[in-house]
Amino acid sequence: DVQMTQSPSNLAASPGESVSINCKASKSISKYLAWYQQKPGKANKLLIYSGSTLQSGTPSRFSGSGSGTDFTLTIRNLEPEDFGLYYCQQHNEYPPTFGAGTKLELK
Amino acid sequence: EVQLVESGGGLVQPGRSLKLSCAASGFTFSDYNMAWVRQAPTKGLEWVASISYGGSNTHYGDSVKGRFTISRDNAKSTLYLQMDSLRSEDTATYYCARSRYNLVMDAWGQGASVTVSS
Repeated sequence: DVQMTQSPSNLAASPGESVSINCKASKSISKYLAWYQQKPGKANKLLIYSGSTLQSGTPSRFSGSGSGTDFTLTIRNLEPEDFGLYYCQQHNEYPPTFGAGTKLELK
Repeated sequence: EVQLVESGGGLVQPGRSLKLSCAASGFTFSDYNMAWVRQAPTKGLEWVASISYGGSNTHYGDSVKGRFTISRDNAKSTLYLQMDSLRSEDTATYYCARSRYNLVMDAWGQGASVTVSS
């Protein structure tokens, strides 16, 4: 199975700032990485797939980059609604595997 | 609006069975692959199983293979997860998800809680 290592596990920032979350695959997954947001009481939300393709409805302040084994989710000009948990997931092969998550908290 | 609503969760003893359902609406259910993903308390997301749009192809995670069965009824727009020989480590919130773009989960339900305990 492809192991996904996500960092950092916790991140504190203020509205208006920019942050980056990293995800490293144990082997090449080409461009096939997705990012999800999880918030209490809400359904999990797909943000980005295939490394950098924004899902319909994802604000443009979110961007994804990377290929092979190293990927980054960047959120520019943080909004209050962006705070929550973020997960990466490889969608190159079975079984699809997730990173351990990054908790983005208000500083 | 895409909606996925899970039901059937609850408290069950180790070794017993439970069947989850996921009612889909707002899209043509029979056009999409579907999946179950779970999350143990305070843990991350774990893919459990997937099924093709017609139901003929299924895949399972190693931790549930041989114990869980994913199925679907396209006439009822409903996804199922039959869970047998349940263990304490199966305790989790189980999410139903629509799958597209090759194993991407682009819509999720709110989840059904399953607790396996004596």
